Amino acid sequence: EDKVVQSPLSLVVHEGDTVTLNCSYEVTNFRSLLWYKQEKKAPTFLFMLTSSGIEKKSGRLSSILDKKELFSILNITATQTGDSAVYLCAVEADKSGSARQLTFGSGTQLTVLP
Amino acid sequence: SQTIHQWPATLVQPVGSPLSLECTVEGTSNPNLYWYRQAAGRGLQLLFYSVGIGQISSEVPQNLSASRPQDRQFILSSKKLLLSDSGFYLCAWRSGTLRIQYFGAGTRLSVL
Repeated sequence: EDKVVQSPLSLVVHEGDTVTLNCSYEVTNFRSLLWYKQEKKAPTFLFMLTSSGIEKKSGRLSSILDKKELFSILNITATQTGDSAVYLCAVEADKSGSARQLTFGSGTQLTVLP
Repeated sequence: SQTIHQWPATLVQPVGSPLSLECTVEGTSNPNLYWYRQAAGRGLQLLFYSVGIGQISSEVPQNLSASRPQDRQFILSSKKLLLSDSGFYLCAWRSGTLRIQYFGAGTRLSVL
Protein backbone atom coordinates (compact mmCIF):
# COMPACT_ATOMS: atom_id res chain seq x y z
CA GLU A 1 0.00 0.00 0.00
CA ASP A 2 1.28 3.45 -0.93
CA LYS A 3 2.26 5.63 1.98
CA VAL A 4 3.13 9.32 2.35
CA VAL A 5 4.35 10.66 5.70
CA GLN A 6 4.78 14.34 6.48
CA SER A 7 6.63 15.90 9.37
CA PRO A 8 6.28 17.77 11.54
CA LEU A 9 2.51 17.59 11.98
CA SER A 10 2.47 21.17 13.15
CA LEU A 11 4.90 24.02 13.39
CA VAL A 12 4.69 27.47 14.98
CA VAL A 13 7.22 30.10 13.96
CA HIS A 14 7.59 33.86 13.96
CA GLU A 15 7.60 36.10 10.93
CA GLY A 16 10.97 36.13 9.24
CA ASP A 17 11.89 32.60 10.25
CA THR A 18 12.82 29.93 7.71
CA VAL A 19 10.98 26.62 7.83
CA THR A 20 11.57 23.21 6.29
CA LEU A 21 8.70 20.79 5.81
CA ASN A 22 9.39 17.13 5.15
CA CYS A 23 7.66 14.48 3.09
CA SER A 24 8.75 10.86 2.79
CA TYR A 25 7.03 8.25 0.69
CA GLU A 26 6.80 4.58 -0.14
CA VAL A 27 5.00 3.95 -3.39
CA THR A 28 5.18 1.51 -6.26
CA ASN A 29 5.76 2.99 -9.72
CA PHE A 30 6.43 6.56 -8.62
CA ARG A 31 5.69 9.25 -11.17
CA SER A 32 5.70 12.59 -9.38
CA LEU A 33 5.43 14.37 -6.05
CA LEU A 34 3.24 17.41 -5.58
CA TRP A 35 3.00 20.07 -2.89
CA TYR A 36 -0.22 21.94 -2.14
CA LYS A 37 -1.10 24.79 0.21
CA GLN A 38 -4.49 24.68 1.91
CA GLU A 39 -5.95 27.71 3.64
CA LYS A 40 -9.36 26.69 4.99
CA LYS A 41 -10.75 25.53 1.67
CA ALA A 42 -9.41 24.26 -1.64
CA PRO A 43 -5.79 23.08 -1.76
CA THR A 44 -3.84 25.21 -4.22
CA PHE A 45 -1.00 23.78 -6.25
CA LEU A 46 2.56 24.81 -5.41
CA PHE A 47 5.06 22.46 -7.07
CA MET A 48 5.34 19.24 -8.98
CA LEU A 49 8.63 17.34 -8.78
CA THR A 50 9.62 14.46 -10.99
CA SER A 51 13.42 14.45 -11.06
CA SER A 52 15.90 14.17 -8.21
CA GLY A 53 18.08 17.10 -7.26
CA ILE A 54 16.35 19.75 -9.34
CA GLU A 55 15.07 22.56 -7.17
CA LYS A 56 11.76 24.17 -7.98
CA LYS A 57 11.45 27.74 -6.79
CA SER A 58 8.65 30.25 -6.55
CA GLY A 59 9.40 33.42 -4.64
CA ARG A 60 10.22 32.48 -1.06
CA LEU A 61 9.16 28.87 -1.54
CA SER A 62 11.38 26.14 -2.91
CA SER A 63 11.26 22.37 -3.04
CA ILE A 64 13.50 19.49 -3.98
CA LEU A 65 13.07 15.76 -4.45
CA ASP A 66 15.41 12.89 -3.57
CA LYS A 67 14.22 9.77 -5.38
CA LYS A 68 16.98 7.63 -3.94
CA GLU A 69 16.09 8.38 -0.31
CA LEU A 70 12.39 8.76 -1.17
CA PHE A 71 11.70 12.18 0.30
CA SER A 72 11.07 15.79 -0.54
CA ILE A 73 11.41 19.02 1.38
CA LEU A 74 9.55 22.29 1.08
CA ASN A 75 11.43 25.36 2.26
CA ILE A 76 9.86 28.70 3.06
CA THR A 77 12.22 31.58 3.77
CA ALA A 78 11.36 34.87 5.47
CA THR A 79 7.96 33.53 6.51
CA GLN A 80 4.95 35.83 6.63
CA THR A 81 1.63 35.48 8.42
CA GLY A 82 0.05 34.76 5.03
CA ASP A 83 2.08 31.56 4.86
CA SER A 84 -0.02 30.12 7.67
CA ALA A 85 -1.78 27.09 6.19
CA VAL A 86 -1.76 23.33 5.97
CA TYR A 87 0.87 22.14 3.51
CA LEU A 88 0.01 18.88 1.82
CA CYS A 89 2.37 16.51 0.07
CA ALA A 90 0.98 14.04 -2.47
CA VAL A 91 2.57 11.35 -4.58
CA GLU A 92 1.34 10.18 -7.94
CA ALA A 93 1.99 6.58 -8.90
CA ASP A 94 1.10 4.43 -11.87
CA LYS A 95 -1.63 1.96 -11.10
CA SER A 96 -2.60 -0.49 -13.79
CA GLY A 97 -6.04 -0.02 -15.31
CA SER A 98 -6.90 3.14 -13.40
CA ALA A 99 -6.72 6.87 -13.60
CA ARG A 100 -3.63 8.48 -12.17
CA GLN A 101 -4.19 8.85 -8.46
CA LEU A 102 -2.64 10.88 -5.71
CA THR A 103 -1.84 9.57 -2.25
CA PHE A 104 -1.76 12.40 0.26
CA GLY A 105 0.13 12.82 3.48
CA SER A 106 -1.66 14.10 6.56
CA GLY A 107 -0.25 17.58 6.10
CA THR A 108 1.83 20.00 8.15
CA GLN A 109 -0.04 22.81 9.90
CA LEU A 110 2.18 25.89 9.74
CA THR A 111 1.35 28.86 11.92
CA VAL A 112 3.35 32.05 11.45
CA LEU A 113 3.02 34.52 14.32
CA PRO A 114 3.53 38.27 13.80
CA SER B 1 -9.25 28.87 -18.66
CA GLN B 2 -10.52 25.96 -16.64
CA THR B 3 -12.64 26.36 -13.55
CA ILE B 4 -14.22 23.94 -11.14
CA HIS B 5 -17.43 24.62 -9.25
CA GLN B 6 -18.56 22.75 -6.19
CA TRP B 7 -21.70 23.32 -4.16
CA PRO B 8 -23.04 23.80 -1.63
CA ALA B 9 -20.23 25.28 0.46
CA THR B 10 -21.74 24.08 3.73
CA LEU B 11 -24.46 21.60 4.52
CA VAL B 12 -26.08 20.44 7.73
CA GLN B 13 -28.10 17.26 7.41
CA PRO B 14 -29.83 14.93 9.89
CA VAL B 15 -28.79 11.31 10.22
CA GLY B 16 -30.66 9.13 7.76
CA SER B 17 -31.31 11.90 5.24
CA PRO B 18 -30.11 11.70 1.61
CA LEU B 19 -27.14 13.61 0.20
CA SER B 20 -26.29 15.06 -3.18
CA LEU B 21 -23.13 17.11 -3.76
CA GLU B 22 -22.41 18.41 -7.22
CA CYS B 23 -19.20 19.31 -8.99
CA THR B 24 -18.83 20.73 -12.48
CA VAL B 25 -15.77 21.63 -14.51
CA GLU B 26 -15.61 24.24 -17.25
CA GLY B 27 -13.06 24.89 -19.95
CA THR B 28 -11.87 21.33 -20.51
CA SER B 29 -13.20 18.13 -21.99
CA ASN B 30 -12.95 14.53 -20.82
CA PRO B 31 -11.28 15.35 -17.51
CA ASN B 32 -10.48 12.79 -14.85
CA LEU B 33 -12.67 13.64 -11.87
CA TYR B 34 -12.15 12.84 -8.19
CA TRP B 35 -14.02 13.00 -4.89
CA TYR B 36 -11.99 13.24 -1.68
CA ARG B 37 -12.92 13.47 1.98
CA GLN B 38 -10.80 15.34 4.46
CA ALA B 39 -11.36 14.65 8.14
CA ALA B 40 -10.11 16.95 10.89
CA GLY B 41 -8.53 19.37 8.38
CA ARG B 42 -5.75 17.00 7.39
CA GLY B 43 -4.92 14.42 4.74
CA LEU B 44 -7.22 13.77 1.81
CA GLN B 45 -8.76 10.34 1.37
CA LEU B 46 -9.72 9.42 -2.19
CA LEU B 47 -13.31 8.20 -2.33
CA PHE B 48 -14.13 7.92 -6.04
CA TYR B 49 -12.60 8.73 -9.39
CA SER B 50 -13.91 8.74 -12.92
CA VAL B 51 -12.17 8.66 -16.28
CA GLY B 52 -15.33 9.15 -18.34
CA ILE B 53 -19.12 9.35 -18.43
CA GLY B 54 -20.65 6.53 -16.44
CA GLN B 55 -17.24 5.20 -15.36
CA ILE B 56 -16.82 5.23 -11.60
CA SER B 57 -14.17 3.57 -9.49
CA SER B 58 -14.48 3.35 -5.74
CA GLU B 59 -11.44 3.38 -3.52
CA VAL B 60 -13.03 2.89 -0.14
CA PRO B 61 -16.17 0.87 0.70
CA GLN B 62 -18.63 3.17 2.36
CA ASN B 63 -22.05 4.63 2.60
CA LEU B 64 -21.53 6.90 -0.39
CA SER B 65 -21.83 6.55 -4.16
CA ALA B 66 -20.80 8.66 -7.13
CA SER B 67 -22.13 9.22 -10.61
CA ARG B 68 -20.95 11.01 -13.72
CA PRO B 69 -23.99 11.71 -15.87
CA GLN B 70 -22.19 14.21 -18.12
CA ASP B 71 -18.59 14.70 -19.19
CA ARG B 72 -17.92 17.57 -16.80
CA GLN B 73 -20.33 16.72 -13.98
CA PHE B 74 -19.54 14.57 -10.97
CA ILE B 75 -22.06 13.88 -8.21
CA LEU B 76 -21.52 12.42 -4.76
CA SER B 77 -24.58 10.85 -3.16
CA SER B 78 -25.88 8.94 -0.21
CA LYS B 79 -29.29 7.42 0.42
CA LYS B 80 -28.97 7.62 4.20
CA LEU B 81 -26.31 9.70 5.90
CA LEU B 82 -24.41 8.45 8.94
CA LEU B 83 -22.76 10.54 11.64
CA SER B 84 -19.42 9.30 10.35
CA ASP B 85 -20.09 10.90 6.95
CA SER B 86 -19.38 14.33 8.42
CA GLY B 87 -16.31 15.95 6.94
CA PHE B 88 -14.94 18.21 4.26
CA TYR B 89 -15.58 16.93 0.75
CA LEU B 90 -13.43 18.06 -2.13
CA CYS B 91 -13.90 17.56 -5.84
CA ALA B 92 -10.88 17.69 -8.14
CA TRP B 93 -10.17 17.44 -11.84
CA ARG B 94 -7.16 16.57 -13.91
CA SER B 95 -6.65 16.68 -17.64
CA GLY B 96 -5.43 13.63 -19.49
CA THR B 97 -2.02 15.15 -20.14
CA LEU B 98 -1.24 17.18 -17.03
CA ARG B 99 -0.41 15.48 -13.75
CA ILE B 100 -1.74 18.27 -11.58
CA GLN B 101 -5.08 17.90 -9.86
CA TYR B 102 -7.02 21.11 -9.28
CA PHE B 103 -9.51 21.34 -6.48
CA GLY B 104 -12.91 22.87 -5.95
CA ALA B 105 -13.68 25.00 -2.91
CA GLY B 106 -15.10 22.07 -0.98
CA THR B 107 -18.30 21.28 0.91
CA ARG B 108 -18.29 21.11 4.67
CA LEU B 109 -20.88 18.50 5.65
CA SER B 110 -22.16 18.16 9.20
CA VAL B 111 -24.39 15.21 9.94
CA LEU B 112 -26.33 15.66 13.18
